[in-house]
Amino acid sequence: RKEVEQDPGPFNVPEGATVAFNCTYSNSASQSFFWYRQDCRKEPKLLMSVYSSGNEDGRFTAQLNRASQYISLLIRDSKLSDSATYLCVVPRGFKTIFGAGTRLFVKA
Amino acid sequence: DVKVTQSSRYLVKRTGEKVFLECVQDMDHENMFWYRQDPGLGLRLIYFSYDVKMKEKGDIPEGYSVSREKKERFSLILESASTNQTSMYLCASSVVGPLNTEAFFGQGTRLTVV
Repeated sequence: RKEVEQDPGPFNVPEGATVAFNCTYSNSASQSFFWYRQDCRKEPKLLMSVYSSGNEDGRFTAQLNRASQYISLLIRDSKLSDSATYLCVVPRGFKTIFGAGTRLFVKA
Repeated sequence: DVKVTQSSRYLVKRTGEKVFLECVQDMDHENMFWYRQDPGLGLRLIYFSYDVKMKEKGDIPEGYSVSREKKERFSLILESASTNQTSMYLCASSVVGPLNTEAFFGQGTRLTVV
């Protein structure tokens, strides 16, 4: 089993839709989690951090379920500009383990 | 404005060549990382360094080595490039803290080995 697993998608949604991605992790000792966003041919950039049960930033909500060992990212009122790959990140000691990413396409 | 700079955006090398990928950060970060990114596989950690002259193997170190002589610079070396090392290479840095912190990435180097 991979340390961090994501559904690769792609998720194709219309503008204004609500979409959610899940990410499962295997290391139950992990304390912090991150969602990164990567645009096509660009480097990943931090979207949200999750240190406790969840975090909300505008249209984006990240939640952590420690019992089931997954984190989720919810995007409300999707915009065309949300089209990107979303990477789940679970640090392990000094290492930072990335999921393979979930691709999102938002269409007009 | 934080910055991680990789020396090349695109690189084409021949099989068997020795290849150097350079990365410089201006944030005085202790941690530096080298990843490669391939379709369907995501980012995989090659090597990381938590201090000058310190290095640790990541998940796929075979065929690579690294050098960190100065805090701001972390170099990735392909001793003898092979076609299966064609990939996007991403350098990142982060600060050491009680909780793992945000990693800042360079713009990436797309390496093609022919």
